Amino acid sequence: DAGVIQSPRHEVTEMGQEVTLRCKPISGHDYLFWYRQTMMRGLELLIYFNNNVPIDDSGMPEDRFSAKMPNASFSTLKIQPSEPRDSAVYFCASSLGTALNTGELFFGEGSRLTVL
Amino acid sequence: DQQVKQNSPSLSVQEGRISILNCDYTNSMFDYFLWYKKYPAEGPTFLISISSIKDKNEDGRFTVFLNKSAKHLSLHIVPSQPGDSAVYFCAASEGRGYQKVTFGIGTKLQVIP
Repeated sequence: DAGVIQSPRHEVTEMGQEVTLRCKPISGHDYLFWYRQTMMRGLELLIYFNNNVPIDDSGMPEDRFSAKMPNASFSTLKIQPSEPRDSAVYFCASSLGTALNTGELFFGEGSRLTVL
Repeated sequence: DQQVKQNSPSLSVQEGRISILNCDYTNSMFDYFLWYKKYPAEGPTFLISISSIKDKNEDGRFTVFLNKSAKHLSLHIVPSQPGDSAVYFCAASEGRGYQKVTFGIGTKLQVIP
């Protein structure tokens, strides 16, 4: 069974450019999360969706960040314009929201973003 | 403001000995706690969890202890193996099934053969 799939795995871009990160969650999972990992702040929750609807975007750092989930099998995280301080590894994760589950998140392999 | 704190950025342990990773939290609403393990160039993977109604949960070589009054939990790995070398993230949420999970910054464990 396929896990969470993220693309691209690596992205190098110049300041001011638009960056789009993509995620395909595990089929059947009704929650999708975007996290950012940095050395200083560890894993930070940016936004999460339930049944394709954004529930909490309080972790989105600025208006330059936006996320969409047009259907149950696809989500994007967009940064426009990008800045060097956005350089980080961005993880997508999905989970089942039923009370019977362990609360466990299933992470993709991450997208490493470098903004020059 | 870090609600989940892992104050030791790294830890080195000899193979076969016990590894103890510590975590403190500040949010009294947290009542479900998880540990994730992360290898380089991979996403974090779930390791073990504990509900606040328990003070201990064991899974093979891994045991998590919870001290609610101290707002402290720890992960014990016995015996430690070189394959356990990874970054370990402590995480917490306001209840099982409540999906907003808050992570610490991680502790890098190195198990020396």
